[in-house]
Amino acid sequence: GAVVSQHPSWVICKSGTSVKIECRSLDFQATTMFWYRQFPKQSLMLMATSNEGSKATYEQGVEKDKFLINHASLTLSTLTVTSAHPEDSSFYICSARDPHSYEQYFGPGTRLTVT
Amino acid sequence: DAKTTQPPSMDCAEGRAANLPCNHSTISGNEYVYWYRQIHSQGPQYIIHGLKNNETNEMASLIITEDRKSSTLILPHATLRDTAVYYCIVPLIQGAQKLVFGQGTRLTINP
Repeated sequence: GAVVSQHPSWVICKSGTSVKIECRSLDFQATTMFWYRQFPKQSLMLMATSNEGSKATYEQGVEKDKFLINHASLTLSTLTVTSAHPEDSSFYICSARDPHSYEQYFGPGTRLTVT
Repeated sequence: DAKTTQPPSMDCAEGRAANLPCNHSTISGNEYVYWYRQIHSQGPQYIIHGLKNNETNEMASLIITEDRKSSTLILPHATLRDTAVYYCIVPLIQGAQKLVFGQGTRLTINP
């Protein structure tokens, strides 16, 4: 299957700082990417839909000013967690949708720990 | 999007077939059924999808009932590496076709 990468795979940051997570589609150009968050022992929760060249669409309850999404190219979407707090500690996962097959391929995830 | 219902957990002996059920009674005629799995601390992995016909690939088989209100994912010869949470999803067909994950079935393969 297609490969989607995320960087970093894990990150520890201090409260109040911002963290950027990258999601890259390596095998195809993705006009649409998705960002999910997963807390321990819970399912994935969709945060937002990232659209290349336009603003992201956020799910209800997700603060767009706190979770900044940029999809500046067809192979890269970034999620920036601004002014991070310990409750933002989570597993962040992205996916990219193949525009030809419409299949979604997931990245390996990024574990964020805010101290 | 059509809601799906899965048992929270299942056990299966190594080498045996694992049959994971999913109910999607509100599915509409042109909505697909997708199956993904998530091994601990990894991103979800696509397994298979189908519309109305049974499907098979190198990973699994998908059996969809004639009325399309339920389906069964079959792992024919389960191994310890198949231990994971399995998600049955019916994506929205409009717009971005978002995948909304439920709680899934935690499948444990026992030696």
